[in-house]
Amino acid sequence: DTGVSQNPRHKITKRGQNVTFRCDPISEHNRLYWYRQTLGQGPEFLTYFQNEAQLEKSRLLSDRFSAERPKGSFSTLEIQRTEQGDSAMYLCASSPLGQGTYEQYFGPGTRLTVT
Amino acid sequence: GIQVEQSPPDLILQEGANSTLRCNFSDSVNNLQWFHQNPWGQLINLFYIPSGTKQNGRLSATTVATERYSLLYISSSQTTDSGVYFCAVGAQGGSQGNLIFGKGTKLSVKP
Repeated sequence: DTGVSQNPRHKITKRGQNVTFRCDPISEHNRLYWYRQTLGQGPEFLTYFQNEAQLEKSRLLSDRFSAERPKGSFSTLEIQRTEQGDSAMYLCASSPLGQGTYEQYFGPGTRLTVT
Repeated sequence: GIQVEQSPPDLILQEGANSTLRCNFSDSVNNLQWFHQNPWGQLINLFYIPSGTKQNGRLSATTVATERYSLLYISSSQTTDSGVYFCAVGAQGGSQGNLIFGKGTKLSVKP
């Protein structure tokens, strides 16, 4: 088991461009989560999937953000028309379902810088 | 929504010292996790402990769910323990998807 992986690890983009991040969860983990972390703060929840269904979205997830998990395996997070305020670390996590635990395991994150 | 408060916000220790980090939360939880965030931003799972006591080497944790707090103990601290420690909770009866994080405790261990 290789853990949760995220790509790319770093992304620098110009304001107004679109970016897409990918997350591969731990195999057989049904639940997948996206969080955002800005400097000096704890991570903040964005959205989560159970299999391919997106079950919850935070108010932080503006219309410019969209997340998908089309086959219930990997997930993508797209940010359209990036703004400087989108600069942050984007973290993905996964957890198993139905094993009596809600423990989440995090990937290494994608650090986004919008110039 | 549920509030999570961690204390102290900053802690400086000499190598070999012991420390206690505290996490208070404002409502019943079905998930409580302690993480260590390394300098590269990776969140490393320390404990999944919605109640009870667990130990792993020099680290141990206790959650008293009825009094809504959790403690993380670090004994014989090492320089590699430096970093930010986060407590995160999932609200009982909540979506089961949303972990709420505290602001963290920044630990610096000096040689």
